[in-house]
Amino acid sequence: QLQLQESGPGLVKPSETLSLTCTVSGGSVSFSSFYWGWVRQTPGKGLEWIGSIHHSGYTYQNPSLKSRLTMSIDTSKNQFSLSLSSVTAADAAVYYCARLPNWGALGRFDSWGQGTPVTVSS
Amino acid sequence: DIQMTQSPSTLSASVGDRVIITCRASESITSWLAWYQQKPGKAPKLLIHKTSSLESGVPSRFSGSGSGTEFTLTISSLQPDDLATYYCQQYYTYPYTFGQGTKLEIK
Repeated sequence: QLQLQESGPGLVKPSETLSLTCTVSGGSVSFSSFYWGWVRQTPGKGLEWIGSIHHSGYTYQNPSLKSRLTMSIDTSKNQFSLSLSSVTAADAAVYYCARLPNWGALGRFDSWGQGTPVTVSS
Repeated sequence: DIQMTQSPSTLSASVGDRVIITCRASESITSWLAWYQQKPGKAPKLLIHKTSSLESGVPSRFSGSGSGTEFTLTISSLQPDDLATYYCQQYYTYPYTFGQGTKLEIK
């Protein structure tokens, strides 16, 4: 059974870089039929797609975050990661990692991690 | 960006009721719409993709319809386990965007 688990610091200082990793078990990030992505959720803005990555290196990123966003995938560890630089209070959210099937049309999230809360504060 | 607007924002219904949630897109997304259910403290769960395709294991009381800019999620007979917030999401174009959610309360 596929499981995704987010990990990373729950507290980040303003202007610093937020780094999160999603570890996948019960499946492989190298499987070509899937992309892997990130979604965040805040009470104010709701659910926001951050970006998606394929093991081949293809990435799709939300233009609103693209200038601060780096995504990577490590097939040897069966993990994928995000880094978001220059964070502000607006980046405080629950961050979810998720899987996206790459058939039909890419874009639906069919399996999710439990989510990890991130606070931005000095 | 394509704006997704759900109505109502909150819905109170009784067990056994037929419930309809509407999602409108600011421009046509053809049929590339998904519905999610999120229970308190949990991650969203995919219920329906491509407007009307039910995910494996999702009860048949859930159904979706629509096309273009207007879509609906229907629960044919509301059950206590359906207490949750429901979200629509378009994946017709980048950036993917979600509706603001419909909180379903059981009377």
